[in-house]
Amino acid sequence: NAGVTQTPKFQVLKTGQSMTLQCAQDMNHEYMSWYRQDPGMGLRLIHYSVGAGITDQGEVPNGYNVSRSTTEDFPLRLLSAAPSQTSVYFCASSHRGPLHFGNGTRLTVT
Amino acid sequence: AQKITQTQPGMFVQEKEAVTLDCTYDTSDQSYGLFWYKQPSSGEMIFLIYQGSYDEQNATEGRYSLNFQKARKSANLVISASQLGDSAMYFCAMREFTKTSYDKVIFGPGTSLSVIP
Repeated sequence: NAGVTQTPKFQVLKTGQSMTLQCAQDMNHEYMSWYRQDPGMGLRLIHYSVGAGITDQGEVPNGYNVSRSTTEDFPLRLLSAAPSQTSVYFCASSHRGPLHFGNGTRLTVT
Repeated sequence: AQKITQTQPGMFVQEKEAVTLDCTYDTSDQSYGLFWYKQPSSGEMIFLIYQGSYDEQNATEGRYSLNFQKARKSANLVISASQLGDSAMYFCAMREFTKTSYDKVIFGPGTSLSVIP
């Protein structure tokens, strides 16, 4: 079982560059979400989706875009990376129960 | 609005002793679920235990139990007989439910637990 797959595992960007973090799940979960984790801040919700074509903002959405064209995929786009976006990013999915997490992407913006 | 508070940034416990990690939450909804996750130093998120707001009994999963006090809006995690492998970050989380759907999951800031041999 693949579960939730995030790519890449590591990424270094220069300020102003754009990139997309990929997230795919094979469990037919309606709910998918993106979190960022910073020391002492826990996991903060960036964006989430309750089904294909439906997305909504979380706690810290600025600087990030998402789309949900299929049930399986939920990419996170950074349009113009900033040093403040240096973080570990987690994708997660679920039905009504607990979240299933990917292994995370460590992003550094210089 | 949903909010999760974990007031213990760091905790120490002697091996084989029990430890309680505090979690309080804020919601105006009657239907919601509470979760605890463990994050070891390797970074993965591990689901530990779940409590629904309408569950009459406190949830238990092996050495983990959830002390759910609905009126006080608290959902403390109790780990019995601590082991060295329990050293990790622990996160409390909450999801609100509607009649037809479910909402986002919000996490607290976490508690770092260190088990002393």
